[in-house]
Amino acid sequence: DIQLTQSPSTLSASVGDRVTIVCRASQSIDNWLAWYQQKPGKVPKRLIFKASYLDSGVPSRFSGSGSGTEFTLTISSLQPDDFATYYCQQFNRNSLFTFGPGTKVDLK
Amino acid sequence: EVRLVESGGGLIQPGGSLRLSCAASGFSVSGSYIGWVRQSPGKGLEWVSIVYSAGGTYYADSVKGRVTLSRDTSKNTLYLQMNSLRVDDTALYYCANAPWGQGSFDVWGQGTAVTVSS
Repeated sequence: DIQLTQSPSTLSASVGDRVTIVCRASQSIDNWLAWYQQKPGKVPKRLIFKASYLDSGVPSRFSGSGSGTEFTLTISSLQPDDFATYYCQQFNRNSLFTFGPGTKVDLK
Repeated sequence: EVRLVESGGGLIQPGGSLRLSCAASGFSVSGSYIGWVRQSPGKGLEWVSIVYSAGGTYYADSVKGRVTLSRDTSKNTLYLQMNSLRVDDTALYYCANAPWGQGSFDVWGQGTAVTVSS
């Protein structure tokens, strides 16, 4: 099965900071990677699919990149609404869907 | 508007059974890739099961043999029959849609809570 790791597990940042979260897959998944944002008590919200495609309505400060085994989610200028936990998720025809362990972005 | 509404959760004893429902509106469950993702209290997200538009169903190893996914196209509803429930099945169960060709879940329901405890 394909495993996903995320780093860091917790990220402390200030409003306006550029934030980068890394997701690594245990084997190549081409560009079959998505990113989700989840706030406490709320439903996960997809931000990016197929590594770099921004979902409709998602602010342009969010971007995704990568292919193969290493992917990044970047927030170009962190806003107060962005403090949340972020999950990556892969799709593979054999192991189907796997989520990463999450990265919590909190206020420094 | 695409919407998913889950129901059927509750408190159940270990070894018991429960059927979760996911009522869809704004699209047809028969033409979609749609499935379940769960989240144990304070933990991360875990994919549980999915059904493809052609009818193939797939399950995570953690639930394989204990759960069955089905669809009722007349009610536009997805079901997750859960048997031999264990304490570690305790979670909020989300129904979610996975558009073809995207490999991920774009629309999520609000979730239904399952608690397995004696």
